[in-house]
Formats: sequence, structure tokens, C-alpha cells
Amino acid sequence: IQMTQSPSSLSALVGDRVTITCRASQTIRNYLNWYQQKPGEAPKLLIYGASGLQGGVPSRYSGRGSGTDFTLTINSLQPEDFATYYCQQSYSTPRTFGQGTKLEIK
Amino acid sequence: EVQLVESGGGLVQPGGSLRLSCAASGFTVSNNYMSWVRQAPGKGLEWVSMIYDGGNTYYADSVKGRFTISRHNSKNTMYLQMNSLGVEDTAEYFCAREGKFYHGMDVWGQGTTVTVSS
Repeated sequence: IQMTQSPSSLSALVGDRVTITCRASQTIRNYLNWYQQKPGEAPKLLIYGASGLQGGVPSRYSGRGSGTDFTLTINSLQPEDFATYYCQQSYSTPRTFGQGTKLEIK
Repeated sequence: EVQLVESGGGLVQPGGSLRLSCAASGFTVSNNYMSWVRQAPGKGLEWVSMIYDGGNTYYADSVKGRFTISRHNSKNTMYLQMNSLGVEDTAEYFCAREGKFYHGMDVWGQGTTVTVSS
């Protein structure tokens, strides 16, 4: 299953709202997860099952979608949110990741 | 504390072998789905292999036949045996646990670096 994210990069200001899109090449029901990765660090799970907020993740993060189309929205961007974001399907093996979206400060 | 710690990375020549270890604490490896994920320098995340709680194993096409995933239950440790390494295998290797809800990877190690170079 191929995962396609858009955009590949995004510039935004602190306080902005941003949305990242992920599309699967076939249905993955709700088996879609979102990760945040900062340079030199391991990825961190933000959203599981398309819309479930992982423990300890701020509520400004939200996920939606099912089937093949999914979104990650970050409301009121904070300085610590500037990072790279990946979607990943866990519906079947091989597991697959999107190519990543780099969120940068404008 | 729930934690994963990788070890075993290093510099190896093309065609060589390396075994990575992923030691878990705070939970039982054999009760969970566990994966290896790698990231080549400056690139995105690539899933490599996984082992189910029941012992079934799965591999990315790029490593099938060269890499073997396993676990040692009494040591609560997962392994990745990597043979016939090529320069394309140069990457940071992470181990991760898949959570029970929709199998998101909810616990990650810090990573171990594998460099394949002559």
C-alpha cells in the first residue's frame, strides 16, 4: 500500500493552523497513524487509528479520515511544532510510511 | 518505565554482516508486535521488518532474504541479523513497539547507526 503525503514542505507562522494530507493507494479503513520527528530524535506517535490522540499529545493536534483519505491538523502552531510529520498505515504488511512533510517557520 | 534501547550498529564493509539488538524494559516483547524502521541520511522513514506476538515475521522487499528478525524471550530482546549489507543499507535503525489500538508505533528506541562503506 502506497502512502502519499502533501505537501512535502510547508511554511507557517506561530499561531497558524495547518493541515497535512495523506492518501493511501487502497482502503486502510482507520489504520492510519501520524508521527512527528525532530532532527536527531526518534519519531513520536501523535495520532493512532486516524483520530485517536496519543497520551501526552496536546489537543491542538487532530486527525480525521477513513478509507483512503486522511488529514492531520495542527491548530495554533507553537514553536515546538516545527518538525517533520509522517503518516503510516498499519492495516497490512508491509507497513508503509508517507514521504514526510517538513513544517518550517515562515 | 517503558523503554527500548538499540545497540549493535557500526561501520561494516559492503557484503558484511551485523546484528542489531533492541532491549525492552517495562513491557514484554513477546506479547507485542515489534518492528524495525530505518532512516537513511536526510531521507524519510522506511519500515524494514516486524515480528508478531505469535512469532510470524515479515520483511520489506528491499531486505528480504538478507535480514532476519528474531527475539529472545527470556532476555526480552529483539534482534535484526543483517547479512550481505550494501551501501544502500546505511541508515539509522530504530526499533519500535506497535500499540494495541490500531497498531500505532507508540514506543521507539533512540536508534543505532549502521554505516556500510569500504
